[in-house]
Amino acid sequence: GAVVSQHPSWVICKSGTSVKIECRSLDFQATTMFWYRQFPKQSLMLMATSNEGSKATYEQGVEKDKFLINHASLTLSTLTVTSAHPEDSSFYICSARSHTGGPYEQYFGPGTRLTVT
Amino acid sequence: RKEVEQDPGPFNVPEGATVAFNCTYSNSASQSFFWYRQDCRKEPKLLMSVYSSGNEDGRFTAQLNRASQYISLLIRDSKLSDSATYLCVVNRGWFTSGTYKYIFGTGTRLKVLA
Repeated sequence: GAVVSQHPSWVICKSGTSVKIECRSLDFQATTMFWYRQFPKQSLMLMATSNEGSKATYEQGVEKDKFLINHASLTLSTLTVTSAHPEDSSFYICSARSHTGGPYEQYFGPGTRLTVT
Repeated sequence: RKEVEQDPGPFNVPEGATVAFNCTYSNSASQSFFWYRQDCRKEPKLLMSVYSSGNEDGRFTAQLNRASQYISLLIRDSKLSDSATYLCVVNRGWFTSGTYKYIFGTGTRLKVLA
């Protein structure tokens, strides 16, 4: 099956610093990748949709200048949390959709747990 | 009102029990439907897609009622390993449209007891 990896799996950083999270599709080309955030005991909330080679589309309430998304190739998307604050501490999950497989299925990465101190 | 609603549970059931989860969605333009399973501190994993005709995969049966905008998941002969959070997911929008996105329910926690 399709495999999506994320790196790092967890990160602790100090308030005010920036953190980059990578999402890679390992055995397929992903024209579209999605970034989600999940707070404890809550469901996944879509932050943004990124298409390879174009600007990401952000969901309402998500600051595009704070959460920078780059989808430079068909196998890699990155999310950079800039000037992180403790309230940004969360579980960040990416997913990828293949343009050759089933149209509705997304494949999820294992997630990155971010803790901002 | 949330676009996808689930009873958060938790549902505590004995091994071998049959348990049913329900989910309602508010956007009638929703195109496809799924049940995902999420273990603690892990990513969601696809359990099964849900079709109008109903579909079964081993001990799991999913049903969709488009008229009532209602989705269900039935688990028979529960195992300890079924303990997890079950997420109802609705896909809004066509594959090629800008509105394509997954909308997740808050999830229903299941704990199967020995």
